[in-house]
Amino acid sequence: DTEVTQTPKHLVMGMTNKKSLKCEQHMGHRAMYWYKQKAKKPPELMFVYSYEKLSINESVPSRFSPECPNSSLLNLHLHALQPEDSALYLCASSQDGTLAGVYEQYFGPGTRLTVT
Amino acid sequence: AQSVTQPDIHITVSEGASLELRCNYSYGATPYLFWYVQSPGQGLQLLLKYFSGDTLVQGIKGFEAEFKRSQSSFNLRKPSVHWSDAAEYFCAATYNNNDMRFGAGTRLTVKP
Repeated sequence: DTEVTQTPKHLVMGMTNKKSLKCEQHMGHRAMYWYKQKAKKPPELMFVYSYEKLSINESVPSRFSPECPNSSLLNLHLHALQPEDSALYLCASSQDGTLAGVYEQYFGPGTRLTVT
Repeated sequence: AQSVTQPDIHITVSEGASLELRCNYSYGATPYLFWYVQSPGQGLQLLLKYFSGDTLVQGIKGFEAEFKRSQSSFNLRKPSVHWSDAAEYFCAATYNNNDMRFGAGTRLTVKP
């Protein structure tokens, strides 16, 4: 099973709402990633979790809050977002997130987020 | 600075024709290289990767890529394009697992 699942598929939220995006993988991967992708642009890395510990935060605003409850699950908590945060949010996983080697990343289908 | 460049924003080819998508990287040493494909509204699917060894890499869906160190390039090719290949293609490079950099992407349109 090489699948990364993401829920919900679409999300519309107001600027005062709190919502969460969920990502799950059952490949035994120990690294998980959140990317943000604006229309017609490449994905941009937001967060990296390696062995359930946050290892990279690419200077993302605090209105985005990641959480990794276990090695299979990754959440992205959203609060007080701005319209410019509307984008496709992609989750990915890889075998390892340490510097010991490089592994391909497997991507989920994404959550299309619209902030009104 | 480390970067990946895809010179072609949009390419149109006829079904059955051959395809080559260009990718150049700017890194101090040879990075690990990847090609991903993204259909509209979908996630990214890995087509192939180059870590070391044979410079001609075979991937899924009939794609291949050639690594040329002298040109800092990793171009993607397919001998005969199918209508289902229409998508966005991203070249990516990294030294480690935490710094994957993507090119701007090339949108492929396939004419019947």
